[in-house]
Amino acid sequence: DTEVTQTPKHLVMGMTNKKSLKCEQHMGHRAMYWYKQKAKKPPELMFVYSYEKLSINESVPSRFSPECPNSSLLNLHLHALQPEDSALYLCASSQEEGTPYEKLFFGSGTQLSVL
Amino acid sequence: AQTVTQSQPEMSVQEAETVTLSCTYDTSESDYYLFWYKQPPSRQMILVIRQEAYKQQNATENRFSVNFQKAAKSFSLKISDSQLGDAAMYFCAYRPHNSNSGYALNFGKGTSLLVTP
Repeated sequence: DTEVTQTPKHLVMGMTNKKSLKCEQHMGHRAMYWYKQKAKKPPELMFVYSYEKLSINESVPSRFSPECPNSSLLNLHLHALQPEDSALYLCASSQEEGTPYEKLFFGSGTQLSVL
Repeated sequence: AQTVTQSQPEMSVQEAETVTLSCTYDTSESDYYLFWYKQPPSRQMILVIRQEAYKQQNATENRFSVNFQKAAKSFSLKISDSQLGDAAMYFCAYRPHNSNSGYALNFGKGTSLLVTP
């Protein structure tokens, strides 16, 4: 199994809602990542988890709250989002965080719309 | 900070022909890694090819090859015998050897490749 699975594929939420994005991999990877991608732009790194511990937070607003309950799962909890947070949210994983030559495996993303 | 520049927002190629996508980057590092990722309409980012900066030999993966010119800081992607399934957004990416940012990929803005029958 070489897949990174993200659910849901599409999400529409109001600015007062609380929702969560989920990401799952069963490749035994120990590093997992959240990226945000606006339309026609490259992905931007948000968070990195290494061995289930948050290792990188790229100055992301607190309305985005990541969680890594175990080595296979990565969640992104959303609360009080703004319309400008509408984007494609991509999850990725790799064997380890600290090997720069490593291949990242990406999911197909969750397309989020904030009304 | 490192920057990655893809100067071609869009490219078009006929099926079975060859196309080259350009990428330049700016860095003061001597050791780093370069990647080409593909993002088809399914939106999943897929690694196409990667190159270690200390290796002079250009990387090749089947129909995909790179022309890595370290002195010129250039990393172009050549796609031979183009197929309809190659149509996608292509991102060039840089990753430092040593970083305090968890080896985050630094992406260019992308080149949209259209393949015509």
